[in-house]
Amino acid sequence: AQTVTQSQPEMSVQEAETVTLSCTYDTSESDYYLFWYKQPPSRQMILVIRQEAYKQQNATENRFSVNFQKAAKSFSLKISDSQLGDAAMYFCAYRRGGATNKLIFGTGTLLAVQP
Amino acid sequence: GAGVSQSPSNKVTEKGKDVELRCDPISGHTALYWYRQRLGQGLEFLIYFQGNSAPDKSGLPSDRFSAERTGESVSTLTIQRTQQEDSAVYLCASSRTVMNTEAFFGQGTRLTVV
Repeated sequence: AQTVTQSQPEMSVQEAETVTLSCTYDTSESDYYLFWYKQPPSRQMILVIRQEAYKQQNATENRFSVNFQKAAKSFSLKISDSQLGDAAMYFCAYRRGGATNKLIFGTGTLLAVQP
Repeated sequence: GAGVSQSPSNKVTEKGKDVELRCDPISGHTALYWYRQRLGQGLEFLIYFQGNSAPDKSGLPSDRFSAERTGESVSTLTIQRTQQEDSAVYLCASSRTVMNTEAFFGQGTRLTVV
């Protein structure tokens, strides 16, 4: 069975600084996708960034980028130039390829941004 | 609609009562998913629909939980004889198809069983 592990329950960063959130996963599949979701207090899950396992290039979305290490099964999220609005719960998620969009989530990292 | 809509936003119920949670997906999205989020935890998959069929209901925790979808639109998650351990946020998501990798989430229903 696939599992997703986030070992940092809480993180803190100063505004304008850079922070990295860690995620490891376990799977025997070769075709899969990895995601980072942001959950603010409104509870709505917002997709931050997505990585296809077959792509070697790390995904980037503005201030958000990932470090995808397929052999190590590691998928960390880097937030550059942190902003107060980045404060939220961040979840790493896995989805195998094929006809399903079922996501397997980690337990989350609560990110605080200090002014 | 513009986004995934869930109702009610919050629900308090007495132990032993039945509850129904509703999800309105984005118009035209054929895939719909239910997740449960217990306090301080990640999301747990419950069930997903492709159209009105549920190919995977492996995450439903007991036979007290059921879900249906009609008209390839609205879905209802029903919990019978609620227990305190059912207290959680129930989140619904939809995607254009099951193959599409982007799922859009609603704001969830916070269920409290007292």
